[in-house]
Amino acid sequence: NFMLTQPHSVSESPGKTVTISCTRSSGSIASNYVQWYQQRPGSSPTTVIYEDNQRPSGVPDRFSGSIDSSSNSASLTISGLKTEDEADYYCQSYDSSIHWVFGGGTKLTVL
Amino acid sequence: EVQLVQSGAEVKKPGESLKISCKGSGYSFTSYWIGWVRQMPGKGLEWMGIIYPGDSDTRYSPSFQGQVTISADKSISTAYLQWSSLKASDTAMYYCARAPGVPAAVDYWGQGTLVTVSS
Repeated sequence: NFMLTQPHSVSESPGKTVTISCTRSSGSIASNYVQWYQQRPGSSPTTVIYEDNQRPSGVPDRFSGSIDSSSNSASLTISGLKTEDEADYYCQSYDSSIHWVFGGGTKLTVL
Repeated sequence: EVQLVQSGAEVKKPGESLKISCKGSGYSFTSYWIGWVRQMPGKGLEWMGIIYPGDSDTRYSPSFQGQVTISADKSISTAYLQWSSLKASDTAMYYCARAPGVPAAVDYWGQGTLVTVSS
């Protein structure tokens, strides 16, 4: 099986752009779609990116996703940061048995 | 409106059994998968398993196989997660989540059920 590794925390100022990485330990990042979930304190997760780079309706276009085969990683980029973006973010993909695999999560601080 | 409504918080003793629920509404319950995700206090998300209520096809994470049972009653649009003998280490928030397929992203999450196991 494989792991998805995320930075433990990132911080950036309001109005700036931040990128959160998600590196797959083995196998190609492109072999299964990557999703990104946002979890604000005390709340359930919500989906902000699905199928590598698709935004659900209602998610602002400040959120974008991509994958990079050269680094075998996926990235979530949030531009024009707002204080409301402060949350934990989790990447997720699938293994060969279609089991879900979550990254460890990244705490985004907007200061 | 699609909703996944989970049962309320539980406080149990080690060794007790427990079954928590997740009721779907606003969509065809038998046409979507329901997954269960654990979040221990201050920790990240862990996938436990998933069920397709249409035919009860169930898959478990190797980490949770044999530790929990996932089931569904399509007549009342409800999925379940159950333990036969709880441990203190089962203390966590448990979320149910809907996915249109496997593999496919979660599109709706339940509000979570907090399970506390303490003597």
